[in-house]
Amino acid sequence: DTGVSQDPRHKITKRGQNVTFRCDPISEHNRLYWYRQTLGQGPEFLTYFQNEAQLEKSRLLSDRFSAERPKGSFSTLEIQRTEQGDSAMYLCASSPTGGAHGYTFGSGTRLTVV
Amino acid sequence: AQSVSQHNHHVILSEAASLELGCNYSYGGTVNLFWYVQYPGQHLQLLLKYFSGDPLVKGIKGFEAEFIKSKFSFNLRKPSVQWSDTAEYFCAVRADTGGFKTIFGAGTRLFVKA
Repeated sequence: DTGVSQDPRHKITKRGQNVTFRCDPISEHNRLYWYRQTLGQGPEFLTYFQNEAQLEKSRLLSDRFSAERPKGSFSTLEIQRTEQGDSAMYLCASSPTGGAHGYTFGSGTRLTVV
Repeated sequence: AQSVSQHNHHVILSEAASLELGCNYSYGGTVNLFWYVQYPGQHLQLLLKYFSGDPLVKGIKGFEAEFIKSKFSFNLRKPSVQWSDTAEYFCAVRADTGGFKTIFGAGTRLFVKA
């Protein structure tokens, strides 16, 4: 299966700790997106990359959040000093450049901050 | 800013009933429109998309959607639902000035009774 992979699937952390999630997109896809989803809501846009360049960040993304995509391959999303409000499903998706494409999503990382 | 509104949060139907899920978006320019589906325990996947041309688009599993520009709508339809259509459905829009990010609605949970 060459879909989008996310690791870990679940993460439980204590408030104030730092966490890092990883996303491996489909190898041919230049664009990579991070979304956050809470119960009863649709995915909310956080940020996206084209190759290694981070082209847009949502205002939802506070200074505690940082994302990278070194070498334009996998991406990491780090949350520093986690808060209970950060508890959510973090989704990664990828797509090719150009043309009429939707996203291919990963299974997500469920973060619980206790 | 673009937004997406899904009319129903929960829908319950019996097998063989017809389905129509409402979706409206707010943006006056050119848009790309999508429906994604999330089956229980699975990740989000693309059901169908509209980019240009025929406003009636057909997707997988017998689903279709009609883009009505004058109504800013992109409703999802299926003539006869099956128990296996039980899932959460998300309408999404990408605007021509929105970069490459896609904005999602809050979702509609469909339960089909056997």
